Amino acid sequence: NAGVTQTPKFQVLKTGQSMTLQCAQDMNHNSMYWYRQDPGMGLRLIYYSASEGTTDKGEVPNGYNVSRLNKREFSLRLESAAPSQTSVYFCASTPGWGDWGYTFGSGTRLTVV
Amino acid sequence: DQQVKQNSPSLSVQEGRISILNCDYTNSMFDYFLWYKKYPAEGPTFLISISSIKDKNEDGRFTVFLNKSAKHLSLHIVPSQPGDSAVYFCAASGGEKGAQKLVFGQGTRLTINP
Repeated sequence: NAGVTQTPKFQVLKTGQSMTLQCAQDMNHNSMYWYRQDPGMGLRLIYYSASEGTTDKGEVPNGYNVSRLNKREFSLRLESAAPSQTSVYFCASTPGWGDWGYTFGSGTRLTVV
Repeated sequence: DQQVKQNSPSLSVQEGRISILNCDYTNSMFDYFLWYKKYPAEGPTFLISISSIKDKNEDGRFTVFLNKSAKHLSLHIVPSQPGDSAVYFCAASGGEKGAQKLVFGQGTRLTINP
């Protein structure tokens, strides 16, 4: 089925370790986003890419980096994981300007111990 | 500063009755509002939206009402069904050129009881 694919689905990291969360969409969407969901906080935007070749910070970018590898793929990297980064991470995509049809992936549950 | 607020963390409704989920916002530049539904272990899925030029939008059992003067919107589900049990997120956007960034509320967990 067409959509947004995130890998891995679950991950446990030790404090200080690094990892990359992968996201790919096969809908030819221009814009891609990374959100984190924490209890009582809703979804908060970490980084986004309005189009291939561009990336911008969202509300909570500290401790993260992103790469828009091509039109399909948008990865999120934690260089030195901290317990405060324990969360569920969602990748999303939209066709582009003026279209609010966000499609979300199923999420990556990350625990940092 | 929480720009979009859902003050009820949970709501329990009898099957067949009306469910009303509420959302308040503080940013007067918001001009587009959406509701998303989320089941456990899945990503949020789009449910219904409304532009600030309207005060009501209806799609089947789901209706969203917008009161701009009160900076308040609500989602009505009539009649409520067991499959509606999920977490509902209100989201808003606007005021920024070119960016399609959504600001989400904290979510309300809706439970429909048989």
